[in-house]
Amino acid sequence: GQNIDQPTEMTATEGAIVQINCTYQTSGFNGLFWYQQHAGEAPTFLSYNVLDGLEEKGRFSSFLSRSKGYSYLLLKELQMKDSASYLCAVRMDTGRRALTFGSGTRLQVQP
Amino acid sequence: EPEVTQTPSHQVTQMGQEVILRCVPISNHLYFYWYRQILGQKVEFLVSFYNNEISEKSEIFDDQFSVERPDGSNFTLKIRSTKLEDSAMYFCASSEPGTGQSPLHFGNGTRLTVT
Repeated sequence: GQNIDQPTEMTATEGAIVQINCTYQTSGFNGLFWYQQHAGEAPTFLSYNVLDGLEEKGRFSSFLSRSKGYSYLLLKELQMKDSASYLCAVRMDTGRRALTFGSGTRLQVQP
Repeated sequence: EPEVTQTPSHQVTQMGQEVILRCVPISNHLYFYWYRQILGQKVEFLVSFYNNEISEKSEIFDDQFSVERPDGSNFTLKIRSTKLEDSAMYFCASSEPGTGQSPLHFGNGTRLTVT
């Protein structure tokens, strides 16, 4: 079966750095995506990794290790507005476009 | 910035009734999707659509569900006979043609409540 695991909840302090981990065991792999979802809203795209290594985009970075089936999302200089759920999603293979989502990590940023 | 639009934002229906959820994908996108999210649960894939036909579907997408692209802009999800457990947020998404790195762009969703 397909398994995408993330911690359920995390808490961090404004201005700090937080790392949200995602592990996956899937029948195929053609890319990993991170999305942000505020309560009651649509998921919005943050980052994409298909090769091993780190992708940086402003305050957000995402890392991938395909051999370990592992990714993390790093958020720096946390702001209150970063309080949201962060969803890890895998695209299974080149012939498929749909993404399979993990259950998401709810991040609470405290003052 | 172009966006996916969905209507209505909320829909309340009685069990056994048919509902149609509507979406206008981003205009140059060629892949269209429906996902659902039951309150407090994860985003679940229902179906993807390309070149006027279903390209993938999940076990959730049974005979009660159908999708259609009735014209050049709209993409619809029909639930024939709604059940209580169909209550969820339904998200439409679209993605560009080309490489597998294209992310999905989601609409703001339709909250469906079945009573």
